[in-house]
Amino acid sequence: GAVVSQHPSWVICKSGTSVKIECRSLDFQATTMFWYRQFPKQSLMLMATSNEGSKATYEQGVEKDKFLINHASLTLSTLTVTSAHPEDSSFYICSARAGQLNTEAFFGQGTRLTVV
Amino acid sequence: SQQGEEDPQALSIQEGENATMNCSYKTSINNLQWYRQNSGRGLVHLILIRSNEREKHSGRLRVTLDTSKKSSSLLITASRAADTASYFCATEPYSSASKIIFGSGTRLSIRP
Repeated sequence: GAVVSQHPSWVICKSGTSVKIECRSLDFQATTMFWYRQFPKQSLMLMATSNEGSKATYEQGVEKDKFLINHASLTLSTLTVTSAHPEDSSFYICSARAGQLNTEAFFGQGTRLTVV
Repeated sequence: SQQGEEDPQALSIQEGENATMNCSYKTSINNLQWYRQNSGRGLVHLILIRSNEREKHSGRLRVTLDTSKKSSSLLITASRAADTASYFCATEPYSSASKIIFGSGTRLSIRP
């Protein structure tokens, strides 16, 4: 299957700093990318959907000023957690799909963020 | 938001037995997908079944979809220790095409 590379795989940062997570589709052009958050032993919660060249669509309850998403090209989307706090510590996963309807999404390996 | 609920939440079976996981969802869908996640890792896509399909097979996996009941099942036959993982169903809602919403997941443990 297609490959989605997410970087970094883990990061520890101090409270109040910002962290950027990158998501790249390596061998296909991703018209849509998704960002999810996952707490331990829980499911993936969709944070936002982004289409190349347009603003991300955030899910209800997700602060767009807190979680900045940029989808500048068909192969790269970034999630920046601004002014991180310990409660932002979580596992963040991106996924990408080449088409729209009825196409599978490919997932990155996830980023474990720990805010101290 | 979560679209679906899965049951059981956790399942432990003996190697060689079959494992069945169920998923129920709330709204009309374009398709339903099953994913697998090993602890602390990303997700691996298993099967996509479209809303006009009723059953799909892939190796030891069999997926059914009943749109009238808004439910799906994943059957893993002849389970192996390596099948130990969390399994999630995910739906692409009809009203929100391009979104993929995940269910609550089933943690499957295969005892050797």
